[in-house]
Amino acid sequence: QMQLQESGPGLVKPSQTLSLACTVSGGSINSGGYHWSWVRQPAGKGLEWIGRINSDGSTNYNPSLQSRVIISVDTSKNHFSLELSSVTAADTAVYYCATYRGGGSGVGSWGQGTLVTVSS
Amino acid sequence: DIQMTQSPSTLSASVGDRVTITCRASQSLNNWLAWYQQKPGKAPKLLIYKVSSLESGVPSRFSGSGSGTEFTLTISSLQPDDFATYYCQQYQSYSWTFGQGTRVEIK
Repeated sequence: QMQLQESGPGLVKPSQTLSLACTVSGGSINSGGYHWSWVRQPAGKGLEWIGRINSDGSTNYNPSLQSRVIISVDTSKNHFSLELSSVTAADTAVYYCATYRGGGSGVGSWGQGTLVTVSS
Repeated sequence: DIQMTQSPSTLSASVGDRVTITCRASQSLNNWLAWYQQKPGKAPKLLIYKVSSLESGVPSRFSGSGSGTEFTLTISSLQPDDFATYYCQQYQSYSWTFGQGTRVEIK
C-alpha cells in the first residue's frame, strides 16, 4: 500500500500561489494504473475534489477551480504537486493528497492532510 | 458535473442498530461509486468501492448496494468505532464529486 505525505507552507497570503507537494513511499509514482489526486476540506465542511493527474500524464480538474489549478508529477523526487493560484480566504482548508489505484477501486490511500491558511 | 446528495445529514443511533445511509446521483453512474469513513482530524478511509466491493480490512458489517442513481451504505450492527462521518463519491465522470456527508452520532 502506498504511503503519502503532504508538505508545504501552512500560511499563504491572499492573491499568492499555494504550492504543496505529496511524497510517495512504498512504491513508485510511475506505477502503472495509479492516479494521483488532491482533495481539500474547509474546517467543519465536506470534502471537495480538486483534481488529479492520471497514469498517462493527463490531468482532470474540478471545473470550479480549473482556471487556477495545476497538478504535476516529479518522477525524480517520487512526488506530485499542487499549485493553486490567486488564493483567497475561501481556499483555507486541510489539503489531502490521495491515490486512486484504477480499475474502479476507489481512492484507497490518503496522506494525513495539511492545513493551509490564507491570510495576510 | 454530477451532483451527489446524501441523506440524512445527521443520524442518531445506538450501538447495535442497523444503519442505512442513502446517496443519490444527478445522473446514472456505471457502478463507479465509493463510500468513505472520516473521523475528526483524520483522513478519509475507503470502505466500499464499485458500489458493493468491500475494501481489504474493512469489517463485514459494512455493505453497499444500489444501481443507477440511488445507492446505500448499510452498517448491520453499529459499533462504538463506527461513530463518524460518511461520504459517498462518484468517479464515473472525469470530474469526481463527493456527497455532503452524513454524520453518525450517538443517540
